[in-house]
Amino acid sequence: SQKIEQNSEALNIQEGKTATLTCNYTNYSPAYLQWYRQDPGRGPVFLLLIRENEKEKRKERLKVTFDTTLKQSLFHITASQPADSATYLCALGNLDGSGNTGKLIFGQGTTLQVKP
Amino acid sequence: DARVTQTPRHKVTEMGQEVTMRCQPILGHNTVFWYRQTMMQGLELLAYFRNRAPLDDSGMPKDRFSAEMPDATLATLKIQPSEPRDSAVYFCASGRDRGGEQYFGPGTRLTVT
Repeated sequence: SQKIEQNSEALNIQEGKTATLTCNYTNYSPAYLQWYRQDPGRGPVFLLLIRENEKEKRKERLKVTFDTTLKQSLFHITASQPADSATYLCALGNLDGSGNTGKLIFGQGTTLQVKP
Repeated sequence: DARVTQTPRHKVTEMGQEVTMRCQPILGHNTVFWYRQTMMQGLELLAYFRNRAPLDDSGMPKDRFSAEMPDATLATLKIQPSEPRDSAVYFCASGRDRGGEQYFGPGTRLTVT
């Protein structure tokens, strides 16, 4: 069955450093991959989408890579700040026969703690 | 700032009671998703709709759960009868079928005693 693995252990880093989170998947060939941020008591918030034919995507201090051969995505936050502390979820999706996006399969998430 | 709204935000009920959760998707979005989140299982898709038509409800226990979209501005998720194992946070999300990204509501925290 389809499986998405994110590091279940919390990632603790110092402010100003680059945080790197990993998302690995098996038994799936997604057309796109997304990253979401979730704060305690709130719903996930969309951050970035990367398609299978894209290797890398950037948005401000965020960078996502997508390696369909390794079946892995890396999510980087550069110059991290305490405000970046949250749980980050990886999600995979596919297109239907009409090219529409649809349902997502989510990983369990990795909690990032940025210390001042 | 358009947002997905969900009601109620919190619900405590006794086993066997009916629970109805409501969601108002963002205006203009044509896909709506219901998720359940627990510590053990993470975020699981229960059902999703496109243009108000149900496309996939394979993640939903059919005997007790039902999801509908009476109109484009309202999606409902019902549990009847509720059980303690249904205790979780239920999220609604909406999006566009060519966009990919989903916009989540604040969730309904359900506790069944």
